[in-house]
Amino acid sequence: SQQGEEDPQALSIQEGENATMNCSYKTSINNLQWYRQNSGRGLVHLILIRSNEREKHSGRLRVTLDTSKKSSSLLITASRAADTASYFCATASGGNTGKLIFGQGTTLQVKP
Amino acid sequence: DADVTQTPRNRITKTGKRIMLECSQTKGHDRMYWYRQDPGLGLRLIYYSFDVKDINKGEISDGYSVSRQAQAKFSLSLESAIPNQTALYFCATSDMGQSYGYTFGSGTRLTVV
Repeated sequence: SQQGEEDPQALSIQEGENATMNCSYKTSINNLQWYRQNSGRGLVHLILIRSNEREKHSGRLRVTLDTSKKSSSLLITASRAADTASYFCATASGGNTGKLIFGQGTTLQVKP
Repeated sequence: DADVTQTPRNRITKTGKRIMLECSQTKGHDRMYWYRQDPGLGLRLIYYSFDVKDINKGEISDGYSVSRQAQAKFSLSLESAIPNQTALYFCATSDMGQSYGYTFGSGTRLTVV
């Protein structure tokens, strides 16, 4: 079963605009992570936010976490055509098991 | 060289054949994972291993087996391939603290005909 559900499933924006993707999950977590996948390639880790953190930044990425609502958002500011990819949230829960449960992903298209 | 290497990159096999997908890593991580990706379903965990002697089933282990030959090597086998095992397969590694997330291989695209 999928832990994370992402919204929207697909997003199309113009270069320079901001892109926001949301992730909801069902059970308590230790941390939540975001990954990017270029078409047919392996996933690349973007950012990790722990359950006791509310916001985290990395370059043009901003991630928020609301554990009371069991949701997270990923904001990409000033998007570029190279940001075109699928973005997945993944949750780690249940002690130090190391298992990640992935959402179904948001496909982002940034038009030049 | 890539930190996590998967072989083969692409494979077409016939129903009923045995096939092995291999994964090796140079990250020095103890933890290794196999996921499959199907369109619209995200990634689903098949098996994971925390060290050579610790192997665990994931959510969709039926029809698959694994072998952790060494800390750096983790292979996935399909004993008798069936068409609904057609998918993109990923190997990933992580450190114990998972502080930096997973490192993924480039994937193996498997087609069972």
